[in-house]
Amino acid sequence: DGGITQSPKYLFRKEGQNVTLSCEQNLNHDAMYWYRQDPGQGLRLIYYSQIVNDFQKGDIAEGYSVSREKKESFPLTVTSAQKNPTAFYLCASSAGTGGNQPQHFGDGTRLSIL
Amino acid sequence: GQQLNQSPQSMFIQEGEDVSMNCTSSSIFNTWLWYKQDPGEGPVLLIALYKAGELTSNGRLTAQFGITRKDSFLNISASIPSDVGIYFCAGQKGGAGSYQLTFGKGTKLSVIP
Repeated sequence: DGGITQSPKYLFRKEGQNVTLSCEQNLNHDAMYWYRQDPGQGLRLIYYSQIVNDFQKGDIAEGYSVSREKKESFPLTVTSAQKNPTAFYLCASSAGTGGNQPQHFGDGTRLSIL
Repeated sequence: GQQLNQSPQSMFIQEGEDVSMNCTSSSIFNTWLWYKQDPGEGPVLLIALYKAGELTSNGRLTAQFGITRKDSFLNISASIPSDVGIYFCAGQKGGAGSYQLTFGKGTKLSVIP
């Protein structure tokens, strides 16, 4: 079954620790995205990647890092520099970046601070 | 970053009633998308609109791309309990940087049986 898989569903971070959120897609999509969602807010773009081995910062990239070594994978690392990491993190993908290629989302990872 | 103005923020309606919500922006968008999000889940795409003035239906859902390109509307007819959730609009500008979606803050829908 095609889709976007995020893991883990829940993640806890200790102070000063880096944590990595996984996102895998088997839709053969070129573009992948990471968003952060806070309660009562819309989604804000952290990073995006239009193609393998390339990625760009979104609106709130500080304290986060990504890699895109494979087409199907786009992991997000929340570093210790991100002082307010508690949020719901959503990964998305699209066939391309054109206007008629909408983004589809995974089921999210909820990150909390211990 | 910019966010869209989505209203209402929340709605409580009786089962069987029709629902309307909208998004407005000071900027022009070339694509409008409507998503629904259930608690603890990712948003699911409901309707995509690609042309100004376009009216598109998906079952009991109907969405319109405003003629000015600065707004969009979503209507749900004859609401049922499973319509409960948060509905988000998103706009995409197109052209350079066309990938980036701008999201509204969502409309939380509650349906009273």
